[in-house]
Amino acid sequence: NAGVMQNPRHLVRRRGQEARLRCSPMKGHSHVYWYRQLPEEGLKFMVYLQKENIIDESGMPKERFSAEFPKEGPSILRIQQVVRGDSAAYFCASSPEINYGYTFGSGTRLTVV
Amino acid sequence: DQQVKQNSPSLSVQEGRISILNCDYTNSMFDYFLWYKKYPAEGPTFLISISSIKDKNEDGRFTVFLNKSAKHLSLHIVPSQPGDSAVYFCAARTGNQFYFGTGTSLTVIP
Repeated sequence: NAGVMQNPRHLVRRRGQEARLRCSPMKGHSHVYWYRQLPEEGLKFMVYLQKENIIDESGMPKERFSAEFPKEGPSILRIQQVVRGDSAAYFCASSPEINYGYTFGSGTRLTVV
Repeated sequence: DQQVKQNSPSLSVQEGRISILNCDYTNSMFDYFLWYKKYPAEGPTFLISISSIKDKNEDGRFTVFLNKSAKHLSLHIVPSQPGDSAVYFCAARTGNQFYFGTGTSLTVIP
């Protein structure tokens, strides 16, 4: 899906390093959502952001994980001091308004070695 | 706590026949339901949706049925085509969040 751009597509980090995942929403979309898919599981909600605001972070682990969506630039999902259990596919989605159907990016596959 | 369940991890159907993918949910507060299709190494793609005030929505070969009393959602694809082979996720919304099922892998056999 060319609309929502995520990079990098693949990211390998050693335990203890930081991972930064970027998401540029579709043009005109001001709502961004991050989801995580662990092996053999469905997509799990992590956080919902609008420009410069975190609206709902109820699905995000309290420690090591943070997200932002600045006024200019992409949304960033940051994972500090990564552990093997953080290995997953991280998907970003955007929508033009709240509770509208999402458009997903192609995901970032994080591997922690 | 899996609020949206897809109990069949896989399904195989002959080309031209009907594919029926099922989804069950537990939260009566869900008010909007969607189906997404996902190819390997790609993000999910929106397919079709239905509001909780309806019981059927049709778009070409795809029809979604909602049975609120049974808390059951299904996606019908007819006729099935080889290009439909993918993983299908159902999702349900309440508040700010969509809750996704674990997916059903559909294989359409030519």
